[in-house]
Amino acid sequence: DAGITQSPRHKVTETGTPVTLRCHQTENHRYMYWYRQDPGHGLRLIHYSYGVKDTDKGEVSDGYSVSRSKTEDFLLTLESATSSQTSVYFCAISESGTSPLHFGNGTRLTVT
Amino acid sequence: GQNIDQPTEMTATEGAIVQINCTYQTSGFNGLFWYQQHAGEAPTFLSYNVLDGLEEKGRFSSFLSRSKGYSYLLLKELQMKDSASYLCAVRPGNTGKLIFGQGTTLQVKP
Repeated sequence: DAGITQSPRHKVTETGTPVTLRCHQTENHRYMYWYRQDPGHGLRLIHYSYGVKDTDKGEVSDGYSVSRSKTEDFLLTLESATSSQTSVYFCAISESGTSPLHFGNGTRLTVT
Repeated sequence: GQNIDQPTEMTATEGAIVQINCTYQTSGFNGLFWYQQHAGEAPTFLSYNVLDGLEEKGRFSSFLSRSKGYSYLLLKELQMKDSASYLCAVRPGNTGKLIFGQGTTLQVKP
């Protein structure tokens, strides 16, 4: 399996609090992605990165921000969590813009 | 915009063959991917098509027709462990984005 670690694996937080999810890779891949997965919606792209400090929005970026200050780490921040952000969040990496994505094990976030 | 359609659910019998279809409409095309996802687990990469035709990998094959915006995943000699969701995903253009359909849940019965 690709060396991808997501932390935390589970988190429960209250509405209005900030939350940061971390994705760490040991593969030195250029591309990193954040998806959320909800019943009835499949995997939806939140943000992705194509290099250090290079990021772009996905399909459902409102309410989320990202940062990538070094190749191995990609952070997803919910500035003020809402119940609609309760979801399973997957990080993925890709060697290039045409290579397959490989996924981390996911973070289950519950916003109460 | 992007639109990727797959059937929501399918059922098949152990030992049989099943075909899961995927149609797409995207602005630009730079490859179509199939992933398998067991309940509670992460998606895992199965196959990739960028040119028209059939790609075979053991019991799994994937077909692409770019002119029709159509792909299918063919699973042969079905096993109980093949019960999972199968996700079709398309790379539109050269941005590196990968957009997923909602997935097809396959149930394999004895």
